[in-house]
Amino acid sequence: DTEVTQTPKHLVMGMTNKKSLKCEQHMGHRAMYWYKQKAKKPPELMFVYSYEKLSINESVPSRFSPECPNSSLLNLHLHALQPEDSALYLCASSQVGEMDEQYFGPGTRLTVT
Amino acid sequence: RKEVEQDPGPFNVPEGATVAFNCTYSNSASQSFFWYRQDCRKEPKLLMSVYSSGNEDGRFTAQLNRASQYISLLIRDSKLSDSATYLCVVNGGKLIFGQGTELSVKP
Repeated sequence: DTEVTQTPKHLVMGMTNKKSLKCEQHMGHRAMYWYKQKAKKPPELMFVYSYEKLSINESVPSRFSPECPNSSLLNLHLHALQPEDSALYLCASSQVGEMDEQYFGPGTRLTVT
Repeated sequence: RKEVEQDPGPFNVPEGATVAFNCTYSNSASQSFFWYRQDCRKEPKLLMSVYSSGNEDGRFTAQLNRASQYISLLIRDSKLSDSATYLCVVNGGKLIFGQGTELSVKP
């Protein structure tokens, strides 16, 4: 089973709202990732968690705050976003680390109004 | 120079055609290589990993040339369902995605 699930599928939020994106995998993978993808562009890495610890933060603004409550779950907390943050947010996981094949969830399509 | 460069698209081909995608990468220390496909408004899905000896999966063949820092994907007997964007992905510490090449297979 190579399934990564994400909720919600779609999210519309105002610039003053606080919301969270959720990601879950039950493959026993120890590395999890958040990516942002704009239309017609490849995914851009935001954060990497390895063994539940944040190992890479690609200079992401503090209005995005990741959290890894356990080895199966990854959250992305959103606060005071800007319209340019509207994008598809993808979660992925891999067996051990960044050199392994990554499996992506279906994404959350976020619109900031 | 971009870290991962792919052929610009789109490729428009008839069903049954053979189509080849090429990709070059700049980091000679890169250690793992993949092809992903992404359908419109969907997530990237792993198509195949690419090994030094080359590998085949049905109609799909991937090749890696480390000396030239070049990766290729060949699709034989293309189907309508192969229409998608194909992403070359290189890992030299983190995944670096190429810009993708759009393939459209027509009846």
